[in-house]
Amino acid sequence: NAGVTQTPKFQVLKTGQSMTLQCAQDMNHEYMSWYRQDPGMGLRLIHYSVGAGITDQGEVPNGYNVSRSTTEDFPLRLLSAAPSQTSVYFCASSTEGTGLYNEQFFGPGTRLTVL
Amino acid sequence: DQQVKQNSPSLSVQEGRISILNCDYTNSMFDYFLWYKKYPAEGPTFLISISSIKDKNEDGRFTVFLNKSAKHLSLHIVPSQPGDSAVYFCAASGGATNKLIFGTGTLLAVQP
Repeated sequence: NAGVTQTPKFQVLKTGQSMTLQCAQDMNHEYMSWYRQDPGMGLRLIHYSVGAGITDQGEVPNGYNVSRSTTEDFPLRLLSAAPSQTSVYFCASSTEGTGLYNEQFFGPGTRLTVL
Repeated sequence: DQQVKQNSPSLSVQEGRISILNCDYTNSMFDYFLWYKKYPAEGPTFLISISSIKDKNEDGRFTVFLNKSAKHLSLHIVPSQPGDSAVYFCAASGGATNKLIFGTGTLLAVQP
């Protein structure tokens, strides 16, 4: 199993550009989520999904969109990138049995810089 | 408002000694607590968890203690090894939300 994979590993954008961060998991997990990690802030939840076709907002959803058309994939879209979105982004998944907050498996992260 | 706090940004210990990482929380509705470990350029990995119905949980060299009255939990690593050097995140969930709230992390350095 590859686990949770994220692409790209690194990305530089200009202010106003849009892009999609890809996330996929091959563990047949129902729950998937996106976090951002900023210095001194820990990991903050952006959006999450409890199954295909179902998504909800986390702590810091503004400026981001998500969709969940399949169990495996959970892309994160930046609509119009801003310097405040410079961060490291992590995708995570967990099994339905353990719930959204239990033993989440994280991807390796995408380091995004917005100039 | 930081609901989960890790007040020590960093900690340095000698190999073989005990490492104690601390975490405080403010939301009395939290009922499940987790510790994650993160190496540079990698995603966090789950380490150990504890439910609010317990006050201690052990897994090998790692023990988590929960003091509900003080809203405090700690992670003990005994004995510490150089490979334990990483950032440790405390996380909590429960109450009205099923979302995971993370602390800011503590960088542990285990000196050989």
